[in-house]
Amino acid sequence: DAGVTQSPTHLIKTRGQQVTLRCSPISGHKSVSWYQQVLGQGPQFIFQYYEKEERGRGNFPDRFSARQFPNYSSELNVNALLLGDSALYLCASSLGNRGGSEKLFFGSGTQLSVL
Amino acid sequence: GQQVMQIPQYQHVQEGEDFTTYCNSSTTLSNIQWYKQRPGGHPVFLIQLVKSGEVKKQKRLTFQFGEAKKNSSLHITATQTTDVGTYFCAGNTGGFKTIFGAGTRLFVKA
Repeated sequence: DAGVTQSPTHLIKTRGQQVTLRCSPISGHKSVSWYQQVLGQGPQFIFQYYEKEERGRGNFPDRFSARQFPNYSSELNVNALLLGDSALYLCASSLGNRGGSEKLFFGSGTQLSVL
Repeated sequence: GQQVMQIPQYQHVQEGEDFTTYCNSSTTLSNIQWYKQRPGGHPVFLIQLVKSGEVKKQKRLTFQFGEAKKNSSLHITATQTTDVGTYFCAGNTGGFKTIFGAGTRLFVKA
C-alpha cells in the first residue's frame, strides 16, 4: 500500500508569489493535517481537514488556506509568500474517526524555499 | 495557548549509554504521542500514551505518562547508532490539534 504522498518535493519561489502544495493520504484515511517545520524546530500545526471540512486551525495568518477533495486528497495554499515561509511542509494522514487521538502518518514533505 | 516543551534540546551520548528526553505541557493532556525523525526524514509514530501514570516499553525504549497527564518521558537504554535522530513528543487536549514539542536531537558516537 502506498503511504502518504506529497508533491512537489522541492519548490523555490520568490517573495510575494503564491504556492500550492498537494497531499494524497493513505487509502482509507479520511483526515489530512498540515504542519510547517522550520529547520531545527518541531512541526507546527496549520490545519486539519476531515470529510472536506476544516476541523482545526493553528496560529497561522489568513495567507494560509487549504481544502480537501472528495477523494480525501488535500491542497495547502500560501499567498503573498514571505521569506519566513521557507520551511518543510508536512502532510499527515489519519483515519479521522478519533479526532486528535489518532496516530499520524507523515509524508516526506515539500521543502519550500522563498527567495 | 497550549504549549509543549521538551528538554534537552540536544544530547550527545557514547554508544551504549542511556538517554532520556522529557516533555512538559502547559495544560492537561488527553493523550501524548512520541515520534522519531531521522536526519532528512519525516516524523514516524512510535507510541501513544493515554492513561495517567501509564508506562509502555518497546524493546530498549520506555515511555512514561505522568500522573497529572502534563508530562512524559522517553528513555532509551544502551543507545545504538541506529537511535540517532530527533525525538518529538506531541500532545493533544481532546480537540483536533496535535501540538509538537521542539524535539530532542540525539547524537550517538560509536
